[in-house]
Amino acid sequence: QLQLEESGPGLVKSSETLSLTCAVSGDSIRNNYFWVWIRRPPGKGLEWIGSFYFIGSTNYSPSLKSRVTISGDTSKNQIFLTLRSVTAADTAVYYCASTTCNGGYCFPPQQWGRGTLVTVSS
Amino acid sequence: QSALTQPASVSGSPGQSITISCTGTISDVGAHNLVSWYQQHPDKAPKLLIYEGNKRPSGVSARFFGSKSGFTASLTISGLQAEDEADYFCYSRAGGNTYVFGSGTTVTVV
Repeated sequence: QLQLEESGPGLVKSSETLSLTCAVSGDSIRNNYFWVWIRRPPGKGLEWIGSFYFIGSTNYSPSLKSRVTISGDTSKNQIFLTLRSVTAADTAVYYCASTTCNGGYCFPPQQWGRGTLVTVSS
Repeated sequence: QSALTQPASVSGSPGQSITISCTGTISDVGAHNLVSWYQQHPDKAPKLLIYEGNKRPSGVSARFFGSKSGFTASLTISGLQAEDEADYFCYSRAGGNTYVFGSGTTVTVV
């Protein structure tokens, strides 16, 4: 059973960089998975941030594309999220999730981590 | 891309049926029949209820039903139960291998 666990600093200062790690267990990130980051700000809805495939292929939300990078380390079986120049609007619970894709169609993420709260302070 | 439009809240009595709408554009909901729906309880990760418009993952109750007409997808919950109180989100491919969620609907069982 695939398990995902997010970790990182719970507090980041405004204008700095947010860095999160998703530790994957139960299978290799090299296998046929796409890895997705999603967030939910307090009192707001879910927001799709972007996706990563282990060969280095990425897709990002147009609204975050200029500030976000998603990457992975196959030796550590981990996925990473980096978000630069954060503001209070980036305060959210951040989730790592997995999905599989076939012929250009990706199934909706079904395996999720429990999420980690990141607060951006001024 | 903008979030898909959902009503902020929907309420119903136990045993009733309710429907949550999710309105998009020709670039997302209107482009295919691949809308999904998630349920999220407080402090929990979202749970997939419906995918590819009207398919349910193993273990999801048949009380949840998905449909679509034009640019609007819908989730119907029949036989409403107290445990259905949660936030619900639609999810759709938005083009260019990006995806978008709906704005979210809080369901209250009164």
